[in-house]
Amino acid sequence: KAGVTQTPRYLIKTRGQQVTLSCSPISGHRSVSWYQQTPGQGLQFLFEYFSETQRNKGNFPGRFSGRQFSNSRSEMNVSTLELGDSALYLCASSLQDSTYEQYFGPGTRLTVT
Amino acid sequence: QKEVEQNSGPLSVPEGAIASLNCTYSDRGSQSFFWYRQYSGKSPELIMFIYSNGDKEDGRFTAQLNKASQYVSLLIRDSQPSDSATYLCAVKPANDYKLSFGAGTTVTVRA
Repeated sequence: KAGVTQTPRYLIKTRGQQVTLSCSPISGHRSVSWYQQTPGQGLQFLFEYFSETQRNKGNFPGRFSGRQFSNSRSEMNVSTLELGDSALYLCASSLQDSTYEQYFGPGTRLTVT
Repeated sequence: QKEVEQNSGPLSVPEGAIASLNCTYSDRGSQSFFWYRQYSGKSPELIMFIYSNGDKEDGRFTAQLNKASQYVSLLIRDSQPSDSATYLCAVKPANDYKLSFGAGTTVTVRA
């Protein structure tokens, strides 16, 4: 079974621009979560989607948004990029609500200049 | 208080020794506990999960959970250089759709 895929893998953007990242979960997984990882803050939860509904959102500004499609694929968008948004953005999918084992994709490395 | 705290590293162990990693969590209602391994430049990889008090063994890895003490640990037996990585403890808080991660413990296995 194929794992979680994320595109693009690397991205360089300029301050003020916006960016869209994509995630395809493991087949059959309906929950998709997004995390930001930086050396200083570690892994920080952004949001979680299940059946096209956002069930949880982390403590990030409104510039960070996401959505999930009917095929469980998910996108996240960051508008008005800031230098501090440079990070590894990770998507994870899970099958069951009760145990919530999450499997991560390879991540998108975003650099904001 | 942080939701998940791990013992600070880095942890250096000789090849063949046991590496012991510890993690405490604040939400007493948490039910699911995970250990992820992350190699430098890679994404986290799920290596162990545990839901019930006690020990769970998988190959050279043993996870231990004590809900009363809000403590979960990971033992790596017969440590190999390939075990050199950062180990992340993650907890699913009660009634919350997310995982809370600790800062990670970097393990170096020296040959």
